[in-house]
Formats: sequence, C-alpha cells, structure tokens
Amino acid sequence: DADVTQTPRNRITKTGKRIMLECSQTKGHDRMYWYRQDPGLGLRLIYYSFDVKDINKGEISDGYSVSRQAQAKFSLSLESAIPNQTALYFCATSVGRGTEAFFGQGTRLTVV
Amino acid sequence: AQSVTQPDIHITVSEGASLELRCNYSYGATPYLFWYVQSPGQGLQLLLKYFSGDTLVQGIKGFEAEFKRSQSSFNLRKPSVHWSDAAEYFCAVDRSGGSYIPTFGRGTSLIVHP
Repeated sequence: DADVTQTPRNRITKTGKRIMLECSQTKGHDRMYWYRQDPGLGLRLIYYSFDVKDINKGEISDGYSVSRQAQAKFSLSLESAIPNQTALYFCATSVGRGTEAFFGQGTRLTVV
Repeated sequence: AQSVTQPDIHITVSEGASLELRCNYSYGATPYLFWYVQSPGQGLQLLLKYFSGDTLVQGIKGFEAEFKRSQSSFNLRKPSVHWSDAAEYFCAVDRSGGSYIPTFGRGTSLIVHP
C-alpha cells in the first residue's frame, strides 16, 4: 500500500459544485501539504499544516479550504468549483526542515 | 523572495547522450536543495539532495548533481540517458519565506529520442 494515498484519483465535476479531495498517510509525519500542478507552472502550494492544530495558507489559497482531521488525514475542499481550478492536485508529507517530501499519486480534477 | 528557477522548459536528448538540467536558486543562505522526478501519471520521487559538505552528490538511477555556491546553481547530470528517464524533473528548496516548506521550480520536461 502507498504511504500517501489520495482519493479520488480522477474527478470530473460541474462549475459551482463543492468537492473534497482526501489525503491520508501512514508515514507518521506531522507536516502535510497540498499542491496544485499546472503545465509550465510547476507545483504551487495551496495550504500546509505542520501539525493537527496548525493550518497555513500557501501562495494560491483563494477558492480552497482545508481540514486536518488527524495527524494522518488532510483534506482539501473547493467550496464552489470553477473551471480554472482544473489541475492535478498533490498531497505531500514531510518530517521537517531539510527533509524529503513524500507525495501521493495525485488527483486529476476537471471542472466543466 | 526566495525562488527556484529552472530555465529550460523542455530538453530533448538522444538515448545514450549525456544530460544536464539546470537549476538556480535565489536565497541569502545556502538552502537544502533537492531534485525530484515525476514519471507520467505518478507523484514526485526524490532523486537526490544536498545539505552540506561534498558539493557533488550522487542519487538514484545514476543521477548526480553539483552544488556551486558562486553560481547559486544545483544542476542535475547523467552521463548516459536511457529511454526510461523521460519524465518531468523538478528542482526544489526547503524554504518559502520564513518557513521550511518544500518549494519547487517550474520543472523541466525531458524527452528522449531513440
């Protein structure tokens, strides 16, 4: 089983719908991140959490919200999806400063 | 602001040829530096990392990278490319503002011709 699991892997949704992307990890890491990947733009940080009680906005948090339900679970929500949120979304975890980030396999989201 | 620059969006090489992917960082001090690879349909996987010490670091799959402080660079190299190396490559640092957060360049897409 993967250490960082994202569900769903693919999703098509309509404009205006609320959608939740889920991430769970078995690595025991405190730090979790949500990134979005767009062609030519690399990975941009949406939100990050250093522990269950710590949630922080990244560079592109507008239109998104998150919930850290437990050390192992970090969910990303789009309250009212819009087409320019069509992208590949990654969840990642790490231990701390200077350590490797471990990624899920991504969720491909299409908003029509 | 700290940033990571990968100046090449696409690189095309022939199988068996050598490879160098460029990465420059903008940061007041030497950050922790990483290279990741993303195969199609997959998440990112760490190739190698640099913290301190020897400026030439070895990674998995035959890759290496050299840290050059004077040029603020951390270029990735491989002496002989295989078709299976075709992928997206990301340079990263562990800083964003005052926090230790993985921060990525825009990526370089490697195309390998037979």
